[in-house]
Amino acid sequence: GAVVSQHPSRVICKSGTSVKIECRSLDFQATTMFWYRQFPKKSLMLMATSNEGSKATYEQGVEKDKFLINHASLTLSTLTVTSAHPEDSSFYICSARDPRTPAEQYFGPGTRLTVT
Amino acid sequence: DAKTTQPTSMDCAEGRAANLPCNHSTISGNEYVYWYRQIHSQGPQYIIHGLKNNETNEMASLIITEDRKSSTLILPHATLRDTAVYYCIVLSSGGSNYKLTFGKGTLLTVNP
Repeated sequence: GAVVSQHPSRVICKSGTSVKIECRSLDFQATTMFWYRQFPKKSLMLMATSNEGSKATYEQGVEKDKFLINHASLTLSTLTVTSAHPEDSSFYICSARDPRTPAEQYFGPGTRLTVT
Repeated sequence: DAKTTQPTSMDCAEGRAANLPCNHSTISGNEYVYWYRQIHSQGPQYIIHGLKNNETNEMASLIITEDRKSSTLILPHATLRDTAVYYCIVLSSGGSNYKLTFGKGTLLTVNP
């Protein structure tokens, strides 16, 4: 199946700083990517839908000014957690749809963010 | 999207078939049944999906009841690496977003 990568896999940052997470589709072009957050022992929660060349669509309750999403190319979407706080510590996962198999979503390996 | 109900956890012996049930009694006519799984600390992985007919691929089989109110994911010969949380999701593929809503899933533990 298609491959999606994320970078970094783990990051530790201090409270108040910003962190950028990258999501790349390696062997296909993705017009739509999705960002999820997962707290320990909980299920994935969709944060936003990232559309190439346009603004992201955020789910209810997700602050768009805190979680900045940029989808500047067909193979890259970035999520920036601004002014991070300890409660933002979580597992962040992206996914992408391959237009060749639109019914399937391919997930990245996730990024573990720890805010101290 | 319709909601699904899955058992919280299941156990299976290595080498045996694992049958994971899912109830989706409010599924509508244009909604597909999708299965994904998530191995600990990894991103989810697509397994299979179907609308009405039973489906089979290299990973699993999906059996959907005639009234489409429930389905069963079958892993024919479970291995230790199949230990994961399995998510059953119903989704309309008529929309452009294909937004997945993950429930709590079933933790399948494959025992040696």
